[in-house]
Amino acid sequence: KNQVEQSPQSLIILEGKNCTLQCNYTVSPFSNLRWYKQDTGRGPVSLTIMTFSENTKSNGRYTATLDADTKQSSLHITASQLSDSASYICVVSDSGGSNYKLTFGKGTLLTVNP
Amino acid sequence: SQTIHQWPATLVQPVGSPLSLECTVEGTSNPNLYWYRQAAGRGLQLLFYSVGIGQISSEVPQNLSASRPQDRQFILSSKKLLLSDSGFYLCAWRAGGADTQYFGPGTRLTVL
Repeated sequence: KNQVEQSPQSLIILEGKNCTLQCNYTVSPFSNLRWYKQDTGRGPVSLTIMTFSENTKSNGRYTATLDADTKQSSLHITASQLSDSASYICVVSDSGGSNYKLTFGKGTLLTVNP
Repeated sequence: SQTIHQWPATLVQPVGSPLSLECTVEGTSNPNLYWYRQAAGRGLQLLFYSVGIGQISSEVPQNLSASRPQDRQFILSSKKLLLSDSGFYLCAWRAGGADTQYFGPGTRLTVL
């Protein structure tokens, strides 16, 4: 069964600090891995997408890494801001057919305090 | 540019009442459309997806149904709501062959 596990479940940091969120997956066959940011009461917004051959990808202060061998990904947030407070969701898609299926993690709830 | 709309934004309904949530997409044609439910403390659960008008696939057996009467319109319905239907409902679209799903703003449904 395809699964995506995220840790920690929740995290509280001070503004300006860095943090790293983890994602482990067991999805086969693997197509890509995406990190979404979901503000409270809003729909998720894509931050990064990584395919099998990519090890790292950045989007501003967000840097995602992917180790396809160990099936692990991380999202590193640099110099956090209050607006980074949100749930961060790891999503893995398989490569099965024309209508691929996504497996969602439960998310890490990040709170950035002043 | 493409946009996705959902309404209503919030809804409070009594148990046993009907439900109709609507999702529309602008700026694209023949999108793949999805309905998800997000319960508190849980990941997104795919409920239905559609690759074209009148084509609906159900992922989990439940009290809900979906319809796609027009190319860019996706409707989530129920004849009689249950308490367990409470949650945050998200609609998403994807261009055929593309990797990215784009989510709507969501509908918060509370069944009392």
